This record gives sequence, structure tokens and C-alpha cells, in this order.
Amino acid sequence: ILNVEQSPQSLHVQEGDSTNFTCSFPSSNFYALHWYRWETAKSPEALFVMTLNGDEKKKGRISATLNTKEGYSYLYIKGSQPEDSATYLCAPNSGNTPLVFGKGTRLSVIA
Amino acid sequence: GAGVSQSPSNKVTEKGKDVELRCDPISGHTALYWYRQSLGQGLEFLIYFQGNSAPDKSGLPSDRFSAERTGGSVSTLTIQRTQQEDSAVYLCASSLGGPGSGANVLTFGAGSRLTVL
Repeated sequence: ILNVEQSPQSLHVQEGDSTNFTCSFPSSNFYALHWYRWETAKSPEALFVMTLNGDEKKKGRISATLNTKEGYSYLYIKGSQPEDSATYLCAPNSGNTPLVFGKGTRLSVIA
Repeated sequence: GAGVSQSPSNKVTEKGKDVELRCDPISGHTALYWYRQSLGQGLEFLIYFQGNSAPDKSGLPSDRFSAERTGGSVSTLTIQRTQQEDSAVYLCASSLGGPGSGANVLTFGAGSRLTVL
């Protein structure tokens, strides 16, 4: 079972601030790294799937980078808005194993 | 269907009773997964199906938990003799391809919240 660490556990930022958080995972047997956003009272939704070392993906104000050699990924949010408030989950998988989720980073954006 | 459907959305039961949770995945999705989130914990993997077979059931916490999938579609998670520690949100997800494919993005259902008194 993969050991996935996410930090910080929770984060409070002011509207308009930019922020970032980290996902660490074992670098051996890496296949892909997923990011999901889980808003309260909703289902988790996929943000990014990343496979290549050095990959960078962007969706609006949210972007992510991947370092497979050292086993980490960063998620960045530029100009945070209240609607960005959610728990952000990362999940690596190694080939034929199901996604193993970290405990997530809970982001609260204060207006 | 258009999305992943789960039922019931809420279930309150007494300790010792059996419960069944149902998941209806997106039509055509070959892989189906069960996860759960207990209070204060992350998403915990339980079992996944590729078609009707379960290549990985390593996450089932005890032999009180079982799951099946029929017709490559609907899945049922059964918990026998429920205990208070079984209280959690049980999430089902499906994906077009299996974990090792390039089509393994998960679409989640809304979850079934189980409370064992």
C-alpha cells in the first residue's frame, strides 16, 4: 500500500491570496498522480491526472506540477476565491493498483 | 446512467444488523471502486471490480464486509453484523478503464452515509 502524505492538513487564506500545498508519495513503481477536489456535500471531482516527470497542468486559476523522481506534486491556486473552499485530495497509483488517497488538504477561503 | 448513483443516501441501523449499499456506475465503465471515509480519516480503499471480478479486495476491513458486481454494472456492498466503527460515508466510483489504463479517472457517486447506533 502506498504511503501518501499531504500537507498542510488544513489552510485558511484570505480571498485573493495565492496558495499551494504538497502531496508526497513513494517514487518507485510510479504510474500516475491524480488530484481531486471534494466540496462539502458533494462528490469528489477530478482536477488533474499527471504521468510525466516535470509535467505541469492548469485549469483556470489552479495548476499542478509533478516530480516523479523525488515523489512529490504541488497544487497551486492563484487568487483564491470562496468557491475554492474544499478538500483537495491527491492519489498516486502504480500500474494495476487502485488509487490510494492522501488525507487531503482542507482549504477555507475567507471573503 | 449519466452519473454514478448510490443508494441509500443515508442509512441508520442498529448494531448487529446487516446493511446493503448499492452502486450504479456510469454505463460502459468497466472498473468500479468502493471507498469509505470515517470521521476524521481520509478516503480508505475497500475493493475494486474489473468487470464482475474483484482483482483487489485487500481493503475490506473484515470478513463481515463483502461485495459483488453483476452484469458488469451494479454493485452491492454488504456489511453483516454492523458495528459502530462501521459508521462512515461509503463512496462508490467508476472509471472507463482499470487502474493501469490511461482511462482511470474516477467519477464518484454522492455516497451513502451509514450510522450504526
